[in-house]
Order: sequence, then structure tokens, then C-alpha cells
Amino acid sequence: QSALTQPPSASGSPGQSVTISCTGTSSDIGAYDYVTWYQHHPGKAPKVIIHDVSKRPSGVPDRFSGSKSGNTASLTVFGLQADDEADYYCSSYEVSNNYWMFGGGTKLTVL
Amino acid sequence: QVQLQQWGAGLLKPSETLSLTCAVYGGSFNNYYWHWIRQPPGKGLEWIGEISHSGATKFNPSLKSRVTMSVDTSKTNFYLRLSSVTAADSGVYYCLRWEPNSSVDSWGQGTLVTVSS
Repeated sequence: QSALTQPPSASGSPGQSVTISCTGTSSDIGAYDYVTWYQHHPGKAPKVIIHDVSKRPSGVPDRFSGSKSGNTASLTVFGLQADDEADYYCSSYEVSNNYWMFGGGTKLTVL
Repeated sequence: QVQLQQWGAGLLKPSETLSLTCAVYGGSFNNYYWHWIRQPPGKGLEWIGEISHSGATKFNPSLKSRVTMSVDTSKTNFYLRLSSVTAADSGVYYCLRWEPNSSVDSWGQGTLVTVSS
């Protein structure tokens, strides 16, 4: 099975906004609103910042926003901060084989 | 506040079986889903599978033939076994708790597993 497609890298200056895309198919992202975004600082456990396409867990700042259109999900980070520099992974439930698939990850650099 | 603590052998030889335990402290074991994910060195995250408190499982199709998951509700532990490991199975393995109708709310600390002859 193929992973979801993410750009390998993204960048922005402090205070700017950046959007990371995640492209799948009608069997995963396009099927249901089961898209999760993880933030992963190396050496630490990943952290969920968005679930169910656009919902933020308690404690996640509203600078993080998720959306979906068709088979593509997007994560937007507003007002970039130094601590936002991390790897970001999208994940979607794949309905044909009933499993969670991940994107390849996007390394976000805060310039 | 729930805490997940995981452990298992960190160095395996090819063809051996990876075995990890994740212990759940301070929270409910029922009504949650318990997952394992991993990250090979220099690569992205990969979902391995999930198990409910009642033992219902789902696995990544690419690993399904080699994966076994189980739970021990009396000990509030859940387990991962991956047979016939190769170097490609090396990486950091995480256990996590998934809250229904929500998402992950607790992680284990991660276990580095290296497969080498």
C-alpha cells in the first residue's frame, strides 16, 4: 500500500503562516473525516495536534488548523514560533483494509 | 493521569521474535483502544496495529502475517509480538492509548529495537 503524500520540507519565518498538504485517495482521506496530524520533535514521543480533520485536542494552540478538500488534507500553522520546528505527519484511516496509514512526513523549519 | 510504561528486548538477531510490553498505570483500561506505532531510523512513522480491551485487533496489512497483539486486563498490560524480524524492523516502537471519538491521549516513552546479526 502507498503512503499518503506530503512535501518533504516546508519553512517559514517567525510570525508567518505555513500550510502542509497531505494527499491520499478516495479510500482514505476522501472516505471519512478520520485525518490526524502529529507533531514530532526528535527524541520525544509524537503529539497529536489535529484529529478528525480539524479538531484540536485540549492544550493545542489555535494557531494549528486542519482542513480537508476531497482527497487532500491540510495543516496550517499560523504565527510560526521557533518551537514549531519539528516533523509533521498526517495519518488517515484506510477503509478498504481497515488500518491507519501515515504520510512520509514534512520537516518544518522556522527560519 | 494515565501513564504508559513500555519495555522489551532492545537487541535482536534476524529471524527472532520482537516482544514488547506496555503497562497502563493510573487510568481506565476499558473503553480505549491500544496501539503500537514505530519509526525506523531516518524514516517516518508507521502504524503497526491496535487492540481493544476485549482483544479485538486490527493490523497494518504489510505486517499482519507477523504481528500478534494481546491484552491482560488483570494487569492492565498490552503486548506486541513481531515474528521473523529483519533489519527493516529496527526502530523506535511506541505504545499509545486512543480515546474513542477523539485521538491519542497518552504515549509510552518509546523503545529502541535494533535487529542485527
